[in-house]
Amino acid sequence: NAGVTQTPKFQVLKTGQSMTLQCAQDMNHEYMSWYRQDPGMGLRLIHYSVGAGITDQGEVPNGYNVSRSTTEDFPLRLLSAAPSQTSVYFCASSYSSWSSYEQYFGPGTRLTVT
Amino acid sequence: DQQVKQNSPSLSVQEGRISILNCDYTNSMFDYFLWYKKYPAEGPTFLISISSIKDKNEDGRFTVFLNKSAKHLSLHIVPSQPGDSAVYFCAAWAYNQGGKLIFGQGTELSVKP
Repeated sequence: NAGVTQTPKFQVLKTGQSMTLQCAQDMNHEYMSWYRQDPGMGLRLIHYSVGAGITDQGEVPNGYNVSRSTTEDFPLRLLSAAPSQTSVYFCASSYSSWSSYEQYFGPGTRLTVT
Repeated sequence: DQQVKQNSPSLSVQEGRISILNCDYTNSMFDYFLWYKKYPAEGPTFLISISSIKDKNEDGRFTVFLNKSAKHLSLHIVPSQPGDSAVYFCAAWAYNQGGKLIFGQGTELSVKP
């Protein structure tokens, strides 16, 4: 199993550009989530999904969209990038929302917005 | 309002000694508490957890203690090894909050040979 994969590893955007961060898992996990990691802030939840077709907002959802059309994929879209979205983004998955305390994380995408 | 707090950004320990990482929380409704470990340029990995109905859980060199009255948990690593050098995140989870993990700010542990 590849586990949780994320692409790209690095990305530089200009203010106002849009892009999609890709996330896929091959463990047939129902629960998937996106976090951002900023210095001194820990990991903060952006959006999450308890299954295909179901998504919900986390702690810091503004400026981001998600969709979950398949169990495997959970892309994160930045609609109009801002310097405040410079961060490291992690995708994670777990078997179900009942066990979502134990999540498997991808390697991360480092995004810089200039 | 930070529900999970790690007040020490860094900790330095000699190899072979005990490392103690601390975490405080504010919400008494959390069901599980967890520690995740993160190496540079990698995603966090699950290390150890404890249910809110227990006060101690042990896994090899790692032990987590939970003091519910003080809303405090700690991770003990004995003996510490250089490979333990990483950032450790405390996290809390409540099923009735959508199964969301709430993370602390992280503590960077450095174990010196």
